[in-house]
Amino acid sequence: DQQVKQNSPSLSVQEGRISILNCDYTNSMFDYFLWYKKYPAEGPTFLISISSIKDKNEDGRFTVFLNKSAKHLSLHIVPSQPGDSAVYFCAAQEGGATNKLIFGTGTLLAVQP
Amino acid sequence: EPEVTQTPSHQVTQMGQEVILRCVPISNHLYFYWYRQILGQKVEFLVSFYNNEISEKSEIFDDQFSVERPDGSNFTLKIRSTKLEDSAMYFCASSETSGSSYEQYFGPGTRLTVT
Repeated sequence: DQQVKQNSPSLSVQEGRISILNCDYTNSMFDYFLWYKKYPAEGPTFLISISSIKDKNEDGRFTVFLNKSAKHLSLHIVPSQPGDSAVYFCAAQEGGATNKLIFGTGTLLAVQP
Repeated sequence: EPEVTQTPSHQVTQMGQEVILRCVPISNHLYFYWYRQILGQKVEFLVSFYNNEISEKSEIFDDQFSVERPDGSNFTLKIRSTKLEDSAMYFCASSETSGSSYEQYFGPGTRLTVT
């Protein structure tokens, strides 16, 4: 069941540059999307979210873009810092009575000093 | 900053034994969740809980699993008779309310190893 896909298992970026993490989904009922960051031996930490009625949400260095027609979202981190090195998970949620999050497989971001 | 806590951080048990994983959600949150992540796989939803009852559960959450909020602060996941394939990281999460736009906040996880 691959409703949420992160096709890049890893990404390496130089410090100060932009990191772009991508996520695709198949379920048109999803109406809310979230990005989580996870360090080893820790739980996922909420980063930023976006409702399906928007196409962009920005919070400091983090911006999430949503392209509903393409069923694609991306997380931009500018400028990237070594402390951003972690696994990034995209997650999606349907509207209505369900609360469950459907996660992607994650992308390991390595920011090189 | 309020956070979700989980105990123990690591639990080793023998196949067939019962385990209880404990969580203390964020105090003003009303919805509680359990997820798990088998090594190398996705984070998967197990169950959500509201107003002292299960509001949704996945296919994984069979009769061997149960959840309980025994008091005003703790939220537990019990596995009655563990199997080797139950070995995973188990994450508890909580949110202020339900539905879209209310983010779920995760605890650090309990690593369950079944031998």
